[in-house]
Amino acid sequence: KAGVTQTPRYLIKTRGQQVTLSCSPISGHRSVSWYQQTPGQGLQFLFEYFSETQRNKGNFPGRFSGRQFSNSRSEMNVSTLELGDSALYLCASSFLQASAGNTIYFGEGSWLTVV
Amino acid sequence: GIQVEQSPPDLILQEGANSTLRCNFSDSVNNLQWFHQNPWGQLINLFYIPSGTKQNGRLSATTVATERYSLLYISSSQTTDSGVYFCAVEQGGNQFYFGTGTSLTVIP
Repeated sequence: KAGVTQTPRYLIKTRGQQVTLSCSPISGHRSVSWYQQTPGQGLQFLFEYFSETQRNKGNFPGRFSGRQFSNSRSEMNVSTLELGDSALYLCASSFLQASAGNTIYFGEGSWLTVV
Repeated sequence: GIQVEQSPPDLILQEGANSTLRCNFSDSVNNLQWFHQNPWGQLINLFYIPSGTKQNGRLSATTVATERYSLLYISSSQTTDSGVYFCAVEQGGNQFYFGTGTSLTVIP
């Protein structure tokens, strides 16, 4: 069974540009969530999608957005990039709610560098 | 949100030694997981353990939910155990709160 797949793995963008990251969850998983990891702030929750609906959102500006498609694949977009957006962006998937005892599984992440 | 504290922040061990990593959390949780982050950035699941004790080879974990802490034990450490270990907890909404991690270095 394939794991969580994220693309691209590495990318470099210029300040002011926008970026789109993609995540394909484990087959059968309907929940996809996104996290940002930086040396200063650690791992922080961005948002979570289930059946194409955003159910939960972390404390990030509106420049960070996402969506989920009918096949559960998800994309996140960051507009008007800032140097501080340089980070490892991690996607996680789970079958149902984590609270119901479902383990979440992470992809390898997308390393974004903003110059 | 819930606060998650991990200790120690850094740990250096000789190969073959044992270690205990601790995770304290500030409120009751529905889900607790331990992860190992490999050098390429991926978070690898170690345990799903909101309560009780589990073992998987040289690793074991215990969570005492009533006292709001979890412990990860690594026995007979190997160089491949090096990396950062994270504890993450969830109260609802599939939103996990992560600790700041324990960076483990195992020396041959």
